[in-house]
Amino acid sequence: ELKVEQNPLFLSMQEGKNYTIYCNYSTTSDRLYWYRQDPGKSLESLFVLLSNGAVKQEGRLMASLDTKARLSTLHITAAVHDLSATYFCAVDVAANAGGTSYGKLTFGQGTILTVHP
Amino acid sequence: EPEVTQTPSHQVTQMGQEVILRCVPISNHLYFYWYRQILGQKVEFLVSFYNNEISEKSEIFDDQFSVERPDGSNFTLKIRSTKLEDSAMYFCASSARDRAKPEAFFGQGTRLTVV
Repeated sequence: ELKVEQNPLFLSMQEGKNYTIYCNYSTTSDRLYWYRQDPGKSLESLFVLLSNGAVKQEGRLMASLDTKARLSTLHITAAVHDLSATYFCAVDVAANAGGTSYGKLTFGQGTILTVHP
Repeated sequence: EPEVTQTPSHQVTQMGQEVILRCVPISNHLYFYWYRQILGQKVEFLVSFYNNEISEKSEIFDDQFSVERPDGSNFTLKIRSTKLEDSAMYFCASSARDRAKPEAFFGQGTRLTVV
């Protein structure tokens, strides 16, 4: 059974600081996604990482994927209050795991990020 | 930009009643999903649907659950006899799973409260 673990689960940051959220997963996959969720809202796609070494950046967020280590990171640079939300990584077990994948996502527990002045 | 829409946004139902949650996926998507999120917990996969049939389902998706694509646009989740523990936010998602946009896009959710 695929396990996806994020850490930390809670992150309280000061504005202007940097930090990294980690996402470890337990089986081979070459598709990893990061989503953002604001309280009571839906899941917004942030990044799609499709190969080993993939790096994507959008504003103050940068995501990377190391498929050999089964690890993805979400790095926050110079945090601002607007980044406060819950961040989820989600893994899609792709066809190279031995079967056809229809895109079932297994989510991490989520990291609740609070950025304060 | 196209989006996944879900109705209703909030449904309150009595235990034992049947509920139908409705979704309109993005029009050119071929893969459809239901996920749920119990308050404060992670998002859990329920079922995926492709080519007019269930392609995968989780242990949560037991005989009380069913999905249907009754016409070319709607995708529904039915819970036959609701239990208290079915209370959760239910998200519909759809995906093209093509190289340009492989990710799933989620609707805004239906909050189901079973009393």
